Amino acid sequence: KAGVTQTPRYLIKTRGQQVTLSCSPISGHRSVSWYQQTPGQGLQFLFEYFSETQRNKGNFPGRFSGRQFSNSRSEMNVSTLELGDSALYLCASSLAPGARTGNTIYFGEGSWLTVV
Amino acid sequence: GIQVEQSPPDLILQEGANSTLRCNFSDSVNNLQWFHQNPWGQLINLFYIPSGTKQNGRLSATTVATERYSLLYISSSQTTDSGVYFCAVISSGSARQLTFGSGTQLTVLP
Repeated sequence: KAGVTQTPRYLIKTRGQQVTLSCSPISGHRSVSWYQQTPGQGLQFLFEYFSETQRNKGNFPGRFSGRQFSNSRSEMNVSTLELGDSALYLCASSLAPGARTGNTIYFGEGSWLTVV
Repeated sequence: GIQVEQSPPDLILQEGANSTLRCNFSDSVNNLQWFHQNPWGQLINLFYIPSGTKQNGRLSATTVATERYSLLYISSSQTTDSGVYFCAVISSGSARQLTFGSGTQLTVLP
């Protein structure tokens, strides 16, 4: 079956703009989470959605937001982009929220965002 | 929150050599996964292993939950094994997201 699909794969934005990234989870998976990866900070958790509800949120400013649709697809939005938002944004899906025993988490290929 | 430390940070091997990567974590966990990040950025699942031992071809992993560490073994390494290996955990406490280590950068030379 298809894996986690993220679009777009690469994008360049200007400071002050906003960006929306999309993630389609593995079929049947209802939990979607987002991570940011930068050379300086490594992989950091952004937020997690399950059944269209945000279940958990990392330590990021309010410019970072997300949502999940009834088909489990998720989007994340970053408003008023800053240079420091340049990163690889990774989406992950799982059957259930992350803390459940036996719950393997699968990642997509990521969206490379460059802010100039 | 839980701390995850990986060692070594960098590892250079000749093709055919064996290696052991280590992951130490500071609290009890109910989820531990090893990932290989390919050059295009994708995190590829290697093992889901909160405890015990698993093997998949040339790769195997062992987690000793009571002592809070996990080991990833790569035997007969190939150039395609190059990349960054991450250990990630979810603590048994209140946190529900994966916390990643800083990774081991593996380079396998032909």
